[in-house]
Amino acid sequence: EDKVVQSPLSLVVHEGDTVTLNCSYEVTNFRSLLWYKQEKKAPTFLFMLTSSGIEKKSGRLSSILDKKELFSILNITATQTGDSAVYLCAVGTSGGSYIPTFGRGTSLIVHP
Amino acid sequence: DGGITQSPKYLFRKEGQNVTLSCEQNLNHDAMYWYRQDPGQGLRLIYYSQIVNDFQKGDIAEGYSVSREKKESFPLTVTSAQKNPTAFYLCASSAGQGGETQYFGPGTRLLVL
Repeated sequence: EDKVVQSPLSLVVHEGDTVTLNCSYEVTNFRSLLWYKQEKKAPTFLFMLTSSGIEKKSGRLSSILDKKELFSILNITATQTGDSAVYLCAVGTSGGSYIPTFGRGTSLIVHP
Repeated sequence: DGGITQSPKYLFRKEGQNVTLSCEQNLNHDAMYWYRQDPGQGLRLIYYSQIVNDFQKGDIAEGYSVSREKKESFPLTVTSAQKNPTAFYLCASSAGQGGETQYFGPGTRLLVL
């Protein structure tokens, strides 16, 4: 059975702090790993990672994948209150229909 | 304006009642999905459809039913057989073959009276 584990499950920081969110996985026929941000309702896409060691960056957010150790990290530097959200990691596999497996998410609260 | 919409935003169900949640997309996506999200949990797959007139059960399909008569629409019915339906329901779509990024609707919160 495919498994995606995110840690920590929750995190409380102050504005300006840097945070690192983790996502480890055990799946058959890995295809891609995706990060989503869920503020109140709909998760919105952040990054898709398919290759090891290539950092994806968008403003203060960055993410990297390690296919040997089977994990990804999502970094947020200089956090702001608007970064408060649940961050979801999903792993997709190849072969057949594309059905990603989601982790439980990391709830991030950024205090002013 | 392309996107995916869900209605209603909130839905109340009485005991023994079937209720239907709407999901519509105008992204011309082939694949559509229904997820259930409980507090502190990730997304659990209820049903998915890769093409019109075809759908498959996900991990927690019991007590739910779907149809896919049109590409744009994928309604979910929560039947009276679903004993614990209180949750946040998210619909998503993706381009299908090779399209891995999912686009999510705003969700429907279902509460039992």
